[in-house]
Amino acid sequence: NAGVTQTPKFRVLKTGQSMTLLCAQDMNHEYMYWYRQDPGMGLRLIHYSVGEGTTAKGEVPDGYNVSRLKKQNFLLGLESAAPSQTSVYFCAAGRPSGEKLFFGSGTQLSVL
Amino acid sequence: QKEVEQDPGPLSVPEGAIVSLNCTYSNSAFQYFMWYRQYSRKGPELLMYTYSSGNKEDGRFTAQVDKSSKYISLFIRDSQPSDSATYLCAMIPISSGSARQLTFGSGTQLTVLP
Repeated sequence: NAGVTQTPKFRVLKTGQSMTLLCAQDMNHEYMYWYRQDPGMGLRLIHYSVGEGTTAKGEVPDGYNVSRLKKQNFLLGLESAAPSQTSVYFCAAGRPSGEKLFFGSGTQLSVL
Repeated sequence: QKEVEQDPGPLSVPEGAIVSLNCTYSNSAFQYFMWYRQYSRKGPELLMYTYSSGNKEDGRFTAQVDKSSKYISLFIRDSQPSDSATYLCAMIPISSGSARQLTFGSGTQLTVLP
C-alpha cells in the first residue's frame, strides 16, 4: 500500500521550460490537492479536485494547470516555468471532510 | 496579516522536556483544528485532530483549543529525539463549499537533543 506517490522527486528546469508533476493515490479518495511549500510561507494550495474530471483553483493557481482524468491520478503542469516557481510541491489526497490529508513525499523543483 | 500565525522557531529542547507549540488565528469561522508533523524531506502527516474548543490527548501529545482567544496549542510530554520535526498547525472553517480547504501555519521546527 503505497498511499500517495509523487514523481519525479527532484527536477531542475530552465526558465520557460515546461513540465508535468504526477501524483498517484491507491486509497480511493475522492479529493486530491496540490500544494507548494516555501520557507516561512507554510503550505499554500495551488489547485484541487473533488472528483474525476473536476478541478478548481486554490490560493496560488497562476502559472499552473491541472488535470484529473482518472480518479487515482492528479497532474500538475507548468507551461512556462519561472524562477518564482522554485519550491517543494506536495500532492495530497483525502476525504471530503478535509481533516485528514495523506501527503506524498514531495517534488523539489528548481527553476534557473 | 496572515489568517494563521505560527512561531517558526527553531526550537531546541533537551530530551525529556515538555514542549509547547502554538498557533493563533484571526478567522472566527475556523472550527476544525489539526496538527501535522513533517520530518525532513518528507510530506506532512496528521498527528492530532480536534473539533471546536477543548483538549484532546493521545499518548504523549495533547492538543488544546481555545476559541475565545483564537489560540491553539500542542503539548509534547517526555520529548524524544524522534520528535524532532517541523510541526504545522492547520484549520478548516465551517463552510458549505464543495471542498473544505485547510489553512496551514508556516510551521515550527523542533529539535530534541539527546
